[in-house]
Amino acid sequence: GNSVTQMEGPVTLSEEAFLTINCTYTATGYPSLFWYVQYPGEGLQLLLKATKADDKGSNKGFEATYRKETTSFHLEKGSVQVSDSAVYFCALRRYSGGGADGLTFGKGTHLIIQP
Amino acid sequence: DAGVTQSPTHLIKTRGQQVTLRCSPKSGHDTVSWYQQALGQGPQFIFQYYEEEERQRGNFPDRFSGHQFPNYSSELNVNALLLGDSALYLCASSRGAEGTEAFFGQGTRLTVV
Repeated sequence: GNSVTQMEGPVTLSEEAFLTINCTYTATGYPSLFWYVQYPGEGLQLLLKATKADDKGSNKGFEATYRKETTSFHLEKGSVQVSDSAVYFCALRRYSGGGADGLTFGKGTHLIIQP
Repeated sequence: DAGVTQSPTHLIKTRGQQVTLRCSPKSGHDTVSWYQQALGQGPQFIFQYYEEEERQRGNFPDRFSGHQFPNYSSELNVNALLLGDSALYLCASSRGAEGTEAFFGQGTRLTVV
C-alpha cells in the first residue's frame, strides 16, 4: 500500500537557518506529492505540491522537488523565520480510473524556530 | 469565500454513544473527504464523497459512515464510540473526483470518555 515517511521531530533551528525536512514515499504508479502545514489550533493548509517527476513546488520561500528515482520530496527553505514554527506534513495522492484516492500523510514534523 | 466549515468545533461523548459531525465545503467544491487525526499523528483517510456517493474508503470499520447532501455538504457518523475514537476529525473539499488540491476545515475535536 501507499506510505509516507518523514523525519521525526521536533526540529529546532535558529532564525535565518537553512531548513530541510526529509520525506520519502512508497506508492504504485505516479502519485502527486504535497506538503501541508498545520499551525497551532488550525486545520491543514496546502504549502506546495508537485504532480510529476522533476517538478518543483514552491511557495513562501519553501521548495520541494519530486524525485522519482529516490522516491523523495524533501522540503527546504533557505532562511527560516519564527513564524514558520508549525507542524509540517508530507502527503501523496494516487489517481486511478475511479478518480483521486484519499491523501496519505506522514506523521508530521514539528518545527520550532527560535529567535 | 467562507472556506471549509465544520461543526461543532469541540464535542465530548460517552463510550457507546453515537456522534454526527458536519462539514460544508468551500464554494465551488463538490467533493468531500473525511480524515481522523489522532494526537501527534498524521491524518488518516476515512472516506470520500462525490455526487452523493461514497467513492473511496480507507481502513476504517463500518461504525464510521457518512452522507453527502445535494448541496455538497456532508456528515460523518460514528456509532458505538470507543475511547480510541478520540481525535481531531478533519473535513477536506475539492473540485471533481480528480481534484488535485484539497482545502481543509479547522476540524472537530471529539473526546470520548
